Amino acid sequence: SQQGEEDPQALSIQEGENATMNCSYKTSINNLQWYRQNSGRGLVHLILIRSNEREKHSGRLRVTLDTSKKSSSLLITASRAADTASYFCASGQGGSEKLVFGKGMKLTVNP
Amino acid sequence: DTAVSQTPKYLVTQMGNDKSIKCEQNLGHDTMYWYKQDSKKFLKIMFSYNNKELIINETVPNRFSPKSPDKAHLNLHINSLELGDSAVYFCASSRDRVAYEQYFGPGTRLTVT
Repeated sequence: SQQGEEDPQALSIQEGENATMNCSYKTSINNLQWYRQNSGRGLVHLILIRSNEREKHSGRLRVTLDTSKKSSSLLITASRAADTASYFCASGQGGSEKLVFGKGMKLTVNP
Repeated sequence: DTAVSQTPKYLVTQMGNDKSIKCEQNLGHDTMYWYKQDSKKFLKIMFSYNNKELIINETVPNRFSPKSPDKAHLNLHINSLELGDSAVYFCASSRDRVAYEQYFGPGTRLTVT
């Protein structure tokens, strides 16, 4: 079954604003990852947070993980037009080699 | 300096034909994957190989057959193509078989007419 549901499914903001995307998953995980996909391109890994971590930062990205609620959020601060892309969360399931991707969320940053 | 490459980038073919997509990674990774992304952008894993050994085989029709001649290459052969096979196919690799970060190729857009 599909795990990882991003919310909202589409978000349009102005350059300079912050963008927050949420992800929910269903089973226990080893880690939760976020990927970006520009139109017509492959996915690019952004950040990984392990199940025993609660928050992680990387540049303008901030990821939180709440394992009790089975949810994660990705915050992009001071967004840029170049951040326009689809964003996917992916859960690394406990005891499994595979990642389960969410449906993706389209972020549009207007200049 | 391409990390994960796929050929071809576009593939247009008729129903019933057989086609192959090739993937190569120069990252020295042990594990490679094939994903299918449908028109709604939903990404689903199809297969995974670790050091040439098949470790993930999702519910995929038998018409799809992966082959890994060495750990740097993973090819996907599709027999008797159907309209529903139209999608973007992504190859990916990771350092090992545990679900850590994956590096994706640029994708192959397959259109079956």
